[in-house]
Amino acid sequence: KAGVTQTPRYLIKTRGQQVTLSCSPISGHRSVSWYQQTPGQGLQFLFEYFSETQRNKGNFPGRFSGRQFSNSRSEMNVSTLELGDSALYLCASSARLAVNEQFFGPGTRLTVL
Amino acid sequence: GESVGLHLPTLSVQEGDNSIINCAYSNSASDYFIWYKQESGKGPQFIIDIRSNMDKRQGQRVTVLLNKTVKHLSLQIAATQPGDSAVYFCAELNTGNQFYFGTGTSLTVIP
Repeated sequence: KAGVTQTPRYLIKTRGQQVTLSCSPISGHRSVSWYQQTPGQGLQFLFEYFSETQRNKGNFPGRFSGRQFSNSRSEMNVSTLELGDSALYLCASSARLAVNEQFFGPGTRLTVL
Repeated sequence: GESVGLHLPTLSVQEGDNSIINCAYSNSASDYFIWYKQESGKGPQFIIDIRSNMDKRQGQRVTVLLNKTVKHLSLQIAATQPGDSAVYFCAELNTGNQFYFGTGTSLTVIP
């Protein structure tokens, strides 16, 4: 089986812009979670989607949003980018909602200038 | 709030020695913990997990120890190899079914 794929792998944006990141989970997996990884904060949970519905949400502002499609692929969007949004954004898929073992993708490195 | 922290940000060990990576957690209600390994340019990879009803769990060359009294978790890697060089994270699953991760310990294996 192919692993979790994320596109693009690298992205450079300027403050105020918006960005959309994409994640394709492992075939058959229906749960997709998003995380932000920064050197100072480590991995922080953004949200989890299952069957096209957001099931869980972390403590991030409303500028961070996401969605999941019927084929389980997911996108996350960040609007009005800030310098502090520069991070590695990781997507993880699992077979079921809130199941213990998650499989991570390689991440999208976002740099905000 | 909850926090998951690591005692040491970096650790260097000789090839063949055993490595011990530590982690402290603050939420005594957390009942599930995972150790992840993250190599450069890759996403975290599951290593081993443990539930709060256990004190110890062993995998292939890895052992996780859980001390609920002091809310401490450790990962032991036996006969450390160069391929073990990576950043290691502990994560706890809180009562809201969200994972909280530590900032990570960077392990460097010296040949």
